[in-house]
Amino acid sequence: SQQGEEDPQALSIQEGENATMNCSYKTSINNLQWYRQNSGRGLVHLILIRSNEREKHSGRLRVTLDTSKKSSSLLITASRAADTASYFCATDAGQNSGGSNYKLTFGKGTLLTVNP
Amino acid sequence: SAVISQKPSRDICQRGTSLTIQCQVDSQVTMMFWYRQQPGQSLTLIATANQGSEATYESGFVIDKFPISRPNLTFSTLTVSNMSPEDSSIYLCSVEDFLLAGFNNEQFFGPGTRLTVL
Repeated sequence: SQQGEEDPQALSIQEGENATMNCSYKTSINNLQWYRQNSGRGLVHLILIRSNEREKHSGRLRVTLDTSKKSSSLLITASRAADTASYFCATDAGQNSGGSNYKLTFGKGTLLTVNP
Repeated sequence: SAVISQKPSRDICQRGTSLTIQCQVDSQVTMMFWYRQQPGQSLTLIATANQGSEATYESGFVIDKFPISRPNLTFSTLTVSNMSPEDSSIYLCSVEDFLLAGFNNEQFFGPGTRLTVL
């Protein structure tokens, strides 16, 4: 089964609007991370939320985590054309032993297009 | 976060040849990983590059096809051997280190190598 599946697969909005992307997963996790990828380049780490956290903010980003529903959402407020990118969630189900081998499982991503 | 560079940034190769991709980090890191991203797809972990020992491969990936080296704590290489068009992908290295991320296992990614096999 696919761990970390985002929806929608594609989202098109106007500049200034808010964008919400969702991620669902199937197994228990230690934490969940969101990444951005611009046009097939490297991934930029956006935010990490731990399994014992429910909400986290970073600038225009707001992430929620509902472990009972095994889902997370990423909200980008006041979107800009520069936010156009693919957004991936990644889950980690490894043991927390400080710097040990954590395997990240990525979802398929949401392609966000912000129109000027 | 760490500064990660990859070489080459992109390449076009002929079927049956091999390509070695380099990943360099500006600080010593505990863990280094190699991922593949096929066109329009998400990332799939190929292997964990272990310093001083053989890499740990994920299901579906083998050492003969994707040999990996990690001679020290700042450098790793991934070779894509005997390439076919199905190997056309973006290959990304990532790093994770307790000093960078504490108990959060944030992974930081390089810019990727875009490989096209004809």
